[in-house]
Amino acid sequence: AQKITQTQPGMFVQEKEAVTLDCTYDTSDQSYGLFWYKQPSSGEMIFLIYQGSYDEQNATEGRYSLNFQKARKSANLVISASQLGDSAMYFCAMREGRGSGTYKYIFGTGTRLKVLA
Amino acid sequence: GAGVSQTPSNKVTEKGKYVELRCDPISGHTALYWYRQSLGQGPEFLIYFQGTGAADDSGLPNDRFFAVRPEGSVSTLKIQRTERGDSAVYLCASSLNPAGGGNEQFFGPGTRLTVL
Repeated sequence: AQKITQTQPGMFVQEKEAVTLDCTYDTSDQSYGLFWYKQPSSGEMIFLIYQGSYDEQNATEGRYSLNFQKARKSANLVISASQLGDSAMYFCAMREGRGSGTYKYIFGTGTRLKVLA
Repeated sequence: GAGVSQTPSNKVTEKGKYVELRCDPISGHTALYWYRQSLGQGPEFLIYFQGTGAADDSGLPNDRFFAVRPEGSVSTLKIQRTERGDSAVYLCASSLNPAGGGNEQFFGPGTRLTVL
């Protein structure tokens, strides 16, 4: 069964330092997408970054980059130069693709990040 | 432009009652998703619409839950005979056709449902 695993329930990082949030996934589909979302205490889910299973280069969006290691089935999020506003819950998600006949998303349990001043 | 909107933002009801939760997606988005999020958990997939049809309803927990999207835009999630375990935040998201590749979801603010 398709699955997303986030093994870090909580993380601390010092302001201005980089932090890596781990995500591993399991799927038998060849075509899939990997996403990271941020959920601040206000509750709204904010899209951060996307990686397609066929993309050869790691995705980057500003201070966010996705360390995609397909053979290991991992899609870790790297946040560089952490800011206090980065404190939030972070969710990794996988969207299945054409081969599975659906485009539903599966989310991990999340990692709560706290940035320290 | 306007984002995804959900109404009501909060709903308190009594066990056994019927509730309807509404989602208004971003204009032009053909895909619409409903999720349920319990405290401290990630969003749990309920149902996915592509246009007017439910492309995947495998996440609906039982037959008390039903969702419609009659004109391919606004969607309503309907819960019959509510139970205390239905208490959660119900999130709606929309996107362009996911078959096109990236096309990330945009989420609404959610409806917090409390069943007493």
